[in-house]
Amino acid sequence: DGGITQSPKYLFRKEGQNVTLSCEQNLNHDAMYWYRQDPGQGLRLIYYSQIVNDFQKGDIAEGYSVSREKKESFPLTVTSAQKNPTAFYLCASSQTRAAETQYFGPGTRLLVL
Amino acid sequence: AQSVAQPEDQVNVAEGNPLTVKCTYSVSGNPYLFWYVQYPNRGLQFLLKYITGDNLVKGSYGFEAEFNKSQTSFHLKKPSALVSDSALYFCAVRDLRDSNYQLIWGAGTKLIIKP
Repeated sequence: DGGITQSPKYLFRKEGQNVTLSCEQNLNHDAMYWYRQDPGQGLRLIYYSQIVNDFQKGDIAEGYSVSREKKESFPLTVTSAQKNPTAFYLCASSQTRAAETQYFGPGTRLLVL
Repeated sequence: AQSVAQPEDQVNVAEGNPLTVKCTYSVSGNPYLFWYVQYPNRGLQFLLKYITGDNLVKGSYGFEAEFNKSQTSFHLKKPSALVSDSALYFCAVRDLRDSNYQLIWGAGTKLIIKP
């Protein structure tokens, strides 16, 4: 899992609640990503950030929000607008957006109470 | 449209036998190709990639993959499987013409190695 940490490992969300997933990297990478993983499906890109204070929507951004105030940190908020949030969330980083290889954190499993 | 197909949801192999996990892709330009492995409740680990050059790419843990342009395939192989190779394997592709540098992921193949 390299130099990327995600917390918590498990997160429980009540209906109508916003929750925030943490992602920190010490690899000095410029680019960071959030993916959602559902059983039997490939990874789907939620948001990505190429540099500090910049981020772009991925394929399934609705119901999610992010910030990139520091190079090391890229937190993801799952808002109450996300009606089906139960999934495994993976954070990744790469040297730059154009760099070929992405490195992943250990993931956070989000469950709805 | 760019796509990746992993035609087998699950592959079962006896320990010590060779293994192959299949991947085919579709991109409009030249591809960058990747294999990642995921152990239960863990993040993905990078195994190997093809960017250019030799069609046979060697990676971590004794795995290798062969880029076949005519068949648009990038199958993952290992000469002798270990029980510890049991995991979920993902193939991914990036189109060199894509200015967004987006990775397209296959659905994953579960590899089960039986003692």
